[in-house]
Amino acid sequence: DIQMTQSPSSLSASVGDRVTITCRASQSINGYLNWYQQKPGKAPKLLIYGASTLLSGVPSRFSGSESGTDFTLAIGSLQPEDFATYYCQQSYSTPTFGGGTKVEFK
Amino acid sequence: EVQLVESGGGLVQPGRSLRLSCAASGFTFDDYAMYWVRQAPGKGLEWVAGISWNSADTDYADSVKGRFTISRDNAKNSLHLQMNSLRAEDTAFYYCVKDFNRGGYLFDTWGQGTLVTVSS
Repeated sequence: DIQMTQSPSSLSASVGDRVTITCRASQSINGYLNWYQQKPGKAPKLLIYGASTLLSGVPSRFSGSESGTDFTLAIGSLQPEDFATYYCQQSYSTPTFGGGTKVEFK
Repeated sequence: EVQLVESGGGLVQPGRSLRLSCAASGFTFDDYAMYWVRQAPGKGLEWVAGISWNSADTDYADSVKGRFTISRDNAKNSLHLQMNSLRAEDTAFYYCVKDFNRGGYLFDTWGQGTLVTVSS
């Protein structure tokens, strides 16, 4: 199985900060990388697929990029509703998730 | 509005069986692959099983292969997960998930989850 290594596991930030989360695949996944947001007690929500395509309705402050087997989720200006846990997931083969990044209020 | 509503979770003893169901509405059910994804309390996400739109293809995580069976009834817009020989490590919230397309492991819409607790 393809391993997805996500970092950091948690971070503290303030409203208005720019935040970046990284996900590294153990082998090439040809851009088949998706990002999810999960709030406490709720199901995950798909934000970005294909490394950089925002799902309809997702605010433009979210963006995704890729460089080889490294993928980045960026939140341009953190808003109160963005405090959550974020997961990456590869859909190139049998799906696997990163360990998650909890974005907490500083 | 797309809705997925899981049912069938609960407390079960190790070695016993449980069957989860998911009622789908708000979309053309037989146009999409469907999945089960689980999350142990306080832990990360783990894909469990998937089924193609026409049930021709199914696949499973190694951790459940041979014990769990995914199925669907397109006439009733329902998805199921038969879980046998349950273990303590199967304790988790189980989410019913719709694919973005006919298949591709892109988890578009999630149900609210149903909790399965395996304990004596």
